[in-house]
Amino acid sequence: GAVVSQHPSRVICKSGTSVKIECRSLDFQATTMFWYRQFPKQSLMLMATSNEGSKATYEQGVEKDKFLINHASLTLSTLTVTSAHPEDSSFYICSARDGIRGSNYGYTFGSGTRLTVV
Amino acid sequence: AQKITQTQPGMFVQEKEAVTLDCTYDTSDQSYGLFWYKQPSSGEMIFLIYQGSYDEQNATEGRYSLNFQKARKSANLVISASQLGDSAMYFCAMRYSGNTPLVFGKGTRLSVIA
Repeated sequence: GAVVSQHPSRVICKSGTSVKIECRSLDFQATTMFWYRQFPKQSLMLMATSNEGSKATYEQGVEKDKFLINHASLTLSTLTVTSAHPEDSSFYICSARDGIRGSNYGYTFGSGTRLTVV
Repeated sequence: AQKITQTQPGMFVQEKEAVTLDCTYDTSDQSYGLFWYKQPSSGEMIFLIYQGSYDEQNATEGRYSLNFQKARKSANLVISASQLGDSAMYFCAMRYSGNTPLVFGKGTRLSVIA
């Protein structure tokens, strides 16, 4: 079935530095990528939607200059947390939309990245 | 606006018993899909079961079944013969028409007791 590889799975960074998270679709073309954020004991909150070759659409309250999303190819989308602060510590997870094969009924999740900013 | 409601923050079930996790949804769309995911402590989202709004039969996948009551806008997950490994967070989610993201409920933490 469809697989999305997300890296890194866990990262600790110093406050003020930037962190890049990658989501790569391994055997299908991800026409759309959704990025979610999850705080402890809470649900997944949509941060942004990105379509290959287009600018990402951010949800209300999400700073686009802080959370840079790039979807330059049909198999790779990246989320960069710029100038990270402790309040950015969270679990970040991507979900690829497979508009062609429809496996997992069209939504395949990465395994998530646990970001800790110290 | 589309909305998913899970009213049970936490549930306990005895091993080998069945358990029902509640989910109600709100949408004005005629075409939509309902999902259930399991999220263990590792964080990965494990797809369990899917029900399309036009599906006449309730979806089943092994020990998982979805009790779909369209008129009541409910899509409860039934887990039969619970196992200790079923202890996790469970999320109900909805896809509405078009190339849109899943909307998630707040989740239910299921604890299976030996």
